[in-house]
Amino acid sequence: SQQGEEDPQALSIQEGENATMNCSYKTSINNLQWYRQNSGRGLVHLILIRSNEREKHSGRLRVTLDTSKKSSSLLITASRAADTASYFCATGAGGFKTIFGAGTRLFVKA
Amino acid sequence: NAGVTQTPKFRVLKTGQSMTLLCAQDMNHEYMYWYRQDPGMGLRLIHYSVGEGTTAKGEVPDGYNVSRLKKQNFLLGLESAAPSQTSVYFCASSYSPSYSGRYDADTQYFGPGTRLTVL
Repeated sequence: SQQGEEDPQALSIQEGENATMNCSYKTSINNLQWYRQNSGRGLVHLILIRSNEREKHSGRLRVTLDTSKKSSSLLITASRAADTASYFCATGAGGFKTIFGAGTRLFVKA
Repeated sequence: NAGVTQTPKFRVLKTGQSMTLLCAQDMNHEYMYWYRQDPGMGLRLIHYSVGEGTTAKGEVPDGYNVSRLKKQNFLLGLESAAPSQTSVYFCASSYSPSYSGRYDADTQYFGPGTRLTVL
């Protein structure tokens, strides 16, 4: 069973716009991570947020975590065509207890 | 640093054939994982290893076996391939879980994947 569920399943935006993806989960976690997967490639780690953190930034990425609602969001600002990829949230207590969601497919039109 | 590498990149098997997928990492990670990725289902954990000489079952272990004879290598075997095993297989590695005190301990590093088709 999947712990994290991303929403929306797919998102299409124009270059320069912001993209927001959401992740909901069911049980208590130690941390939540976001990964990106370009077509035909492996997953690449983007950002990790601990359960006692509420917001983190990394470049054009902003992640929020609301443990009371068991949800997280990933915001990509000023999107670029190169941001076109699938984005996955991963939740759990670390190591083999990390569970990946089904992903959000983002398409950024130039 | 090569990170995590996987061989082969592509493979086509006939039903009943066997094969081994090789994963290697050069980051001295303790934990290694094998996942399969199917359309619309995200990643599902097949087997994992918490250290050299140890392996354990994940969410979907049936039809697969693994071995971790050396810390840097994690092998995934299919003894008798079935069409249901057509998938993209990813290997990953990480440090020990977060209780080790490392902030990034839970970050997993992925290989480029192996696309397997079973006819």
